[in-house]
Amino acid sequence: NAGVTQTPKFRVLKTGQSMTLLCAQDMNHEYMYWYRQDPGMGLRLIHYSVGEGTTAKGEVPDGYNVSRLKKQNFLLGLESAAPSQTSVYFCASSYGLSGAEQFFGPGTRLTVL
Amino acid sequence: AQRVTQPEKLLSVFKGAPVELKCNYSYSGSPELFWYVQYSRQRLQLLLRHISRESIKGFTADLNKGETSFHLKKPFAQEEDSAMYYCAPDFISNFGNEKLTFGTGTRLTIIP
Repeated sequence: NAGVTQTPKFRVLKTGQSMTLLCAQDMNHEYMYWYRQDPGMGLRLIHYSVGEGTTAKGEVPDGYNVSRLKKQNFLLGLESAAPSQTSVYFCASSYGLSGAEQFFGPGTRLTVL
Repeated sequence: AQRVTQPEKLLSVFKGAPVELKCNYSYSGSPELFWYVQYSRQRLQLLLRHISRESIKGFTADLNKGETSFHLKKPFAQEEDSAMYYCAPDFISNFGNEKLTFGTGTRLTIIP
């Protein structure tokens, strides 16, 4: 039981390049989330999903797109990376939305030059 | 506006001394409240939630509705408590659904 996994662990991009971060969970959770963590800012919600085939915007969605084609996977895409997107990205999942514990992945450290 | 504030970015406490990590929130309703913790080289994980009224690793958190605070406390700090702590209320968003809002975090260092 791996819980929540993220690939890759590290990535360096040049401005304008694109990439996709993959999150996978094996707990059969309905809800999945993408956060970014920046110094002094805490965790901020980018996008989330309440079930397969659904996505919704969070607090800081601009510059990102997501897809949830399969229940166990939640993809975060950067179409044209910018230095402001340098951050640590965390994926999480939960069995419910209200009052439910979120289980986090190990994070992906992304640097955009 | 919905907001959560952790006023201390850094907190250093001697081993054996009491610990209090502050969390204040502004919200018109009664959110569910959580504390999450991230130990060095480990992933973020739930420490405790208000609804459970539980004590985890010696930590408790009391909700003060009048002051809208949810401070995390431990009477005797241990070295293994050194970590990053996040307060996370569960606010109802403008779209009517609930979501966690994380504070900026407090890095707790226990001095041996």
